[in-house]
Amino acid sequence: SQQGEEDPQALSIQEGENATMNCSYKTSINNLQWYRQNSGRGLVHLILIRSNEREKHSGRLRVTLDTSKKSSSLLITASRAADTASYFCAGERNTGFQKLVFGTGTRLLVSP
Amino acid sequence: EPEVTQTPSHQVTQMGQEVILRCVPISNHLYFYWYRQILGQKVEFLVSFYNNEISEKSEIFDDQFSVERPDGSNFTLKIRSTKLEDSAMYFCASRETSRLSNEQFFGPGTRLTVL
Repeated sequence: SQQGEEDPQALSIQEGENATMNCSYKTSINNLQWYRQNSGRGLVHLILIRSNEREKHSGRLRVTLDTSKKSSSLLITASRAADTASYFCAGERNTGFQKLVFGTGTRLLVSP
Repeated sequence: EPEVTQTPSHQVTQMGQEVILRCVPISNHLYFYWYRQILGQKVEFLVSFYNNEISEKSEIFDDQFSVERPDGSNFTLKIRSTKLEDSAMYFCASRETSRLSNEQFFGPGTRLTVL
């Protein structure tokens, strides 16, 4: 079964606008991590939010976590063309050896 | 800054052949993982490895797959007899032992193409 879903699946915005991506998950997690992937490339870790945190900031990134709704959001402020990529959320399971369960991803396109 | 490395970056093989994908995790990390991503799909967990043994594996990780840490630095994924559906990007990841730092660091991936 799919453990993580992001919406929207694709998002197209202009430079300078904010981009918001949402993620839902189904099982209990230790933390939720957001990754970025440029087309056909590796996964770059962006930010981690622990299950006892509600909001976290890192530069132009703001992440929220609502464990009661099993959802998270990633906000990129003042987007740039270089932010164009796919963004994945990944929940770290709190059983076993903390494998990550990835969502389906949001493809973000930022036009100059 | 320390990083996870993977070789080769791209591997092309014939169906039925054996392939070995190699990873060098970050040196002080002790938890290791393999994930794969079929083109256009989500990243899927394959296996986790700790203390020289598999700690968890997914349904995908059947008898055709094996992992090994042959020395103090390398971590390998072997596919004994590749199938067309094994074509994917394979990512290695590693993590520190400290629970205060749960971030998994990913390598750049190996693109496996099975013909």
